[in-house]
Amino acid sequence: DAGVTQSPTHLIKTRGQQVTLRCSPKSGHDTVSWYQQALGQGPQFIFQYYEEEERQRGNFPDRFSGHQFPNYSSELNVNALLLGDSALYLCASSFLSSNEQFFGPGTRLTVL
Amino acid sequence: KNQVEQSPQSLIILEGKNCTLQCNYTVSPFSNLRWYKQDTGRGPVSLTIMTFSENTKSNGRYTATLDADTKQSSLHITASQLSDSASYICVGALLNYGGSQGNLIFGKGTKLSVKP
Repeated sequence: DAGVTQSPTHLIKTRGQQVTLRCSPKSGHDTVSWYQQALGQGPQFIFQYYEEEERQRGNFPDRFSGHQFPNYSSELNVNALLLGDSALYLCASSFLSSNEQFFGPGTRLTVL
Repeated sequence: KNQVEQSPQSLIILEGKNCTLQCNYTVSPFSNLRWYKQDTGRGPVSLTIMTFSENTKSNGRYTATLDADTKQSSLHITASQLSDSASYICVGALLNYGGSQGNLIFGKGTKLSVKP
C-alpha cells in the first residue's frame, strides 16, 4: 500500500514563473491538505480539498490555488513566484472524519 | 491568537540518555494535540495524538503528556538512539463547528541531535 506521494522531489524556478506541484493521497483517503514549510519553521496550512472543493484555507494569497481530481489526487499551483515562496511544500492526506493525517515526503521549491 | 510554542529550540544529548521536549499551546476551540517527528527534508510522521481527556500516551520509547488545564504538553524520549535525531513538532488541532477537526497549528519544532 503506497503512502502519500509527491512530485517532483525538487524544483528550481525563477521569480515571476508559475509552478504546479502534485500529490497522490494514501489509498482510500478522500481529503488532501497542503502546507508550506520554510527553512527552520513549522509547516503553515495553505488549504484543504475534499470532494474536489476547497474546504478550508489558511492565510495565503490568491497566487496559491489548488485542485482535487475525482481520484482524490491534488495539485498546488503557485503563480508569480516570489523569492519568499522558496520552501518545502508538504501534502497530507486523511479521511475527512479522521484526526490522523499522513504526510508525503514533500517537494523542495527553490525560487531564484 | 492560536499558536504553539516549543522549547528548547535545539537539544544535543548522548546516545542512551533520556530527554523531554516542551510545548505550550493556545488553540481554541481545541480538538487534539499531536507530536510529529520530522527527519531533515522529509514529511512529518505522527508519534501521538491526544484529546483533552487523555493525559498520557505512549508510542514505544516516546511518551507524550497533556495538561489541558495549563495547556502544556511534553514529549519524553527514553534511551535515545542515533535515529532519534530529527525535529520534533508539537501541533494543536482546532475543532470545527459540528465537531470535525479543523486546521492544524504547528510549532516551530525542537531540533534534537543524538551523539554517540
